Amino acid sequence: AIQLTQSPSSLSASVGDRVSISCRASQGIRGALAWYQQKPGKAPKLVIYDVSSLEVGVPSRFRGSGSGTDFSLTINSLQPEDFATYYCQQFNGHLITFGQGTRLEIK
Amino acid sequence: EIQLIESGGGVVQPGGSLRLSCAASGFTFSNYAMHWVRQSPGRGLESVSDISSNGGITYYADSVRGRFTISRDNSKNTLYLQMGGLRSEDMAVYYCARVVHSYGDYLDHWGQGTLVTVSS
Repeated sequence: AIQLTQSPSSLSASVGDRVSISCRASQGIRGALAWYQQKPGKAPKLVIYDVSSLEVGVPSRFRGSGSGTDFSLTINSLQPEDFATYYCQQFNGHLITFGQGTRLEIK
Repeated sequence: EIQLIESGGGVVQPGGSLRLSCAASGFTFSNYAMHWVRQSPGRGLESVSDISSNGGITYYADSVRGRFTISRDNSKNTLYLQMGGLRSEDMAVYYCARVVHSYGDYLDHWGQGTLVTVSS
C-alpha cells in the first residue's frame, strides 16, 4: 500500500504568513491527491483535489502543487479560520490512504 | 443542502457488535459510492470501507476485513456498517462520506461522526 508522509507534523505561524505543508508518497501516485482541513470536533473538509484543483467555496489563497511523489499545500496570507489540521489523501484503486496530518497553530 | 447523519455509535464490550447507519439527503444517493472513515487519536484518519453506488462492489481495510460489513439501502438513502468482533483498536469516531470521482476518488461531503467506544 502507498504510504503518505507529511511534514512538518506541526507548524506555528502568524496571521498573514504564507505556509507550505509537504506530502511525500512512497511511490508515484500520478494526479490523484487531495488535501483536507479539519478543525477540532469537526469532520474533515475537502480543500484541494487532483493535486491542484480548488474545491468549490474554498478561498483562492489555498494552492496545491506537485507531481510524482512530492506534493505540497500552500496557504497564502493566513487567516484566523485557516488554523487547523491538514491531511493529504491519495486514491489507489478503491483504497484511500491519508497522511498523518499537519497541525497548523497560531504563533 | 447535502447532509450525512451518522447514528448507532455507543459503548460496546470487546468482541461485541454494533451497526452504524448514515442517513443521506440533499443528493441522489444511488448515484454515488460511499465510504466509511474512522479517526482515533493514535491512528489519525483511516479508511475503513467503500461501497459502490449500487452496492455490488465493496472494499475493506485489512484491519477490519472479515469483521465489518458495509451495505446500503438505496430505497432508504442509508448506508450501513455492521461491525463485529470489536477490539480496543476499533475505538474511534466513525464518519461516513460521499465519494466523488475526478482523476482520483475523493470524499467531498462528510457526516458529523459517531463515536464507538470499546470497553469492558
